Amino acid sequence: AQTVTQSQPEMSVQEAETVTLSCTYDTSESDYYLFWYKQPPSRQMILVIRQEAYKQQNATENRFSVNFQKAAKSFSLKISDSQLGDAAMYFCAYRMNRDDKIIFGKGTRLHILP
Amino acid sequence: DGGITQSPKYLFRKEGQNVTLSCEQNLNHDAMYWYRQDPGQGLRLIYYSQIVNDFQKGDIAEGYSVSREKKESFPLTVTSAQKNPTAFYLCASSIIGAGGQPQHFGDGTRLSIL
Repeated sequence: AQTVTQSQPEMSVQEAETVTLSCTYDTSESDYYLFWYKQPPSRQMILVIRQEAYKQQNATENRFSVNFQKAAKSFSLKISDSQLGDAAMYFCAYRMNRDDKIIFGKGTRLHILP
Repeated sequence: DGGITQSPKYLFRKEGQNVTLSCEQNLNHDAMYWYRQDPGQGLRLIYYSQIVNDFQKGDIAEGYSVSREKKESFPLTVTSAQKNPTAFYLCASSIIGAGGQPQHFGDGTRLSIL
């Protein structure tokens, strides 16, 4: 069965600094997709970034980028120039190409220190 | 604007009572999902549906029921058989099929026991 592991329940970073959130996953599939979702205190789930497993190039969205290591089954999220609005719970998620279900990790709570 | 609407935002259940959480989407998505979120547990899949009049159990379906009579609507009933219903419930939808489409989420319903 596929699993997604986020080993850091909580992290803190100084405002304007860079932080990396870790995620590993277990799968025997070769065709899949990975996501990072952000859940701020409002509890709304917001898609941050998406990565196709067949692409070697790491996805980027403004200050957010990923380090996708397919062989190591690792999918970390880097947030550059951290802002107070980045404070949230971050969930890593996995989806097989042949399935419509998404499997979520347990989340990492990110604190931004002013 | 297209989106997913969950209601009510807060819901209270008495012992032995069934309650129904509403989820409506106008994104024309075929697939809809219900998740339960508990502290430290991430998102756990309760039920999902890929087509009208059909749905499948997720990882924690016991004590819950759903229906999918319309493409736009996927209500979740928390039955009296669910002994620990206090949680935050999230509804999501997505396009089905290949392509690794992300899920779009509603704002959630918080259910508490009276």
